[in-house]
Amino acid sequence: DGGITQSPKYLFRKEGQNVTLSCEQNLNHDAMYWYRQDPGQGLRLIYYSQIVNDFQKGDIAEGYSVSREKKESFPLTVTSAQKNPTAFYLCASSIRSPGTDGVEKLFFGSGTQLSVL
Amino acid sequence: SQQGEEDPQALSIQEGENATMNCSYKTSINNLQWYRQNSGRGLVHLILIRSNEREKHSGRLRVTLDTSKKSSSLLITASRAADTASYFCATDEAGSQGNLIFGKGTKLSVKP
Repeated sequence: DGGITQSPKYLFRKEGQNVTLSCEQNLNHDAMYWYRQDPGQGLRLIYYSQIVNDFQKGDIAEGYSVSREKKESFPLTVTSAQKNPTAFYLCASSIRSPGTDGVEKLFFGSGTQLSVL
Repeated sequence: SQQGEEDPQALSIQEGENATMNCSYKTSINNLQWYRQNSGRGLVHLILIRSNEREKHSGRLRVTLDTSKKSSSLLITASRAADTASYFCATDEAGSQGNLIFGKGTKLSVKP
């Protein structure tokens, strides 16, 4: 059953704590993305990775960190420096890195709702 | 940075009616994509239209793109209660580093 798996579905963070959101894909996709969604808002890009061991900051990278040690995995850490972390976090992947035709369609996981205790 | 802006923000129709959602954007694009999101779930890709295309169909979906007006529309024909969801347009800016910019979405409610 191919797809993108995000875990956990719900996560609670205490003040001053770092938390890590998991994202795994078995689609053999090169590119992976992390988005943040606030209520009634669109998606904002946090980080993206076009290839293993490489990643780029998106529009709202401050307070977040990522790694891409394996093609299948792109975990996101929400650090204590992120003062307003409550949001719905979505991981996505696409078949290849953007080429001259632009970004191909994204496949999304089911999301992680992060809340602050 | 916000690129696509959907209109209307919310739309309520009866089953069987057609639903039209619009998206406006600001810069040149490589392609424009439409996604659907059920409440509390991830997004699902519906259709991609490239900058050199004007219209595309997929089942009950029809998408148009007018690059001179920097706008796109998504038409869902013969709507069903199961079409109830939020719909987002996403643009891939020409010359960008290759990531999509999403609008705030249109919340569609189809009443049985």
